[in-house]
Parts: sequence; structure tokens; C-alpha cells
Amino acid sequence: DTAVSQTPKYLVTQMGNDKSIKCEQNLGHDTMYWYKQDSKKFLKIMFSYNNKELIINETVPNRFSPKSPDKAHLNLHINSLELGDSAVYFCASSPIAGGRNTQYFGPGTRLTVL
Amino acid sequence: DQQVKQNSPSLSVQEGRISILNCDYTNSMFDYFLWYKKYPAEGPTFLISISSIKDKNEDGRFTVFLNKSAKHLSLHIVPSQPGDSAVYFCAARVEGGSEKLVFGKGTKLTVNP
Repeated sequence: DTAVSQTPKYLVTQMGNDKSIKCEQNLGHDTMYWYKQDSKKFLKIMFSYNNKELIINETVPNRFSPKSPDKAHLNLHINSLELGDSAVYFCASSPIAGGRNTQYFGPGTRLTVL
Repeated sequence: DQQVKQNSPSLSVQEGRISILNCDYTNSMFDYFLWYKKYPAEGPTFLISISSIKDKNEDGRFTVFLNKSAKHLSLHIVPSQPGDSAVYFCAARVEGGSEKLVFGKGTKLTVNP
């Protein structure tokens, strides 16, 4: 009974390709996020959506585009993949935006760009 | 610019003893702090949090202490158990701001039987 799920778990692809990572939460939360954990192990936020509206957009290349078809899903599309995009990408969700809501994380997607 | 720092990449303790994980921050606008625990191949899971109006929060074997003047917080686990072996991330948030969490690099805790 997974709360926040991501697919795929592993993704290996060539430079220049376009790929997508999907995220779904069944917690009824209004807010979803994408984080990137790079080779230095820092977890950094990339995007946040609240009820399908973008509320956080950190300095991320335009090649990265989040898409939220409904509030239970937040997908991440990456165009023209580069070597530096190799990382683990985590999706998360929380009940509402603002306040002290705990964020619940998915298991992560390990992206390797060759 | 590391606003949240966990200077010890790893810590090893014996089962039954106390584990103390440390975290420092530089941004004085942070006033809500969280600890997350992460097992290999899994996402981080929330462990415990503390608001800046408190200096201590306890939940079972886990206690978080906050020293605002020193911009320092610590997580105490007593007694430590082998199942506590994981990477622990400290995170901070600006109160009243966005939901953005700023994470440290994590400390890998190993509890030896």
C-alpha cells in the first residue's frame, strides 16, 4: 500500500535523450515536490506544486519540466539529457502548502546518463 | 552555499549506547527543523521535528535539541538499536515561507550489535 510511488526506479539512458519520471501519491495530499540528490549527496528541491499550481521553482535548467495532470500526480520530464543530470530524483508530498507539514518521500529514481 | 551542515559523514556506536548526530545552520531565518532517516534504496522518512520556540522535543528513543544562539541542533537516540543504522538528514525551513526544505548532506549511522 505505497503512499508515494515513483516509476521507474532505475533509468539508464544516453546523453541527448528525453525521459520522464512519474510520481503518484495516494495520501490525498495537495502539495507535491521533486528533489534531486546529486553525487555529493545533497538533497535539493527542484519544484513544488500545490493543487496543480507551481509554487516553488528553483534555479533548474529549462530542460526540466514538471507536469501535474491532477493533484495526485507530478511527473518530471527531462529533455536533452546531460551527464550532469545523473542523480537520484525523489518525489515527495505533503498535506497542504505552508505550515509545518511533514513531507512524505517516494523511494527515488536513480537516473544514469551515459 | 551550505545553509545546513552535517559535518560528520559517519558515526559508529554500540548497541544500547547513545547516538548523537549534529547539525549546524547558517540562515537565521530558519525556525523549523526536521530530522529524516533514510535506508538504502528508500526515500527519506520523517523522524522528528522542532520549532524554534522550543529547545527540546522528545519522541520515544529520539530527542532533538535546539540551540538557537549557536545555530546548532542535535538528535539523540537512546538506546541505539541495530535497526537505527541508516543515513540521517537534518533539514530546515523558513517559517511562513514556502514549503522548501533545505537539507544537510546526511550522517551515516552504524549501530553495531
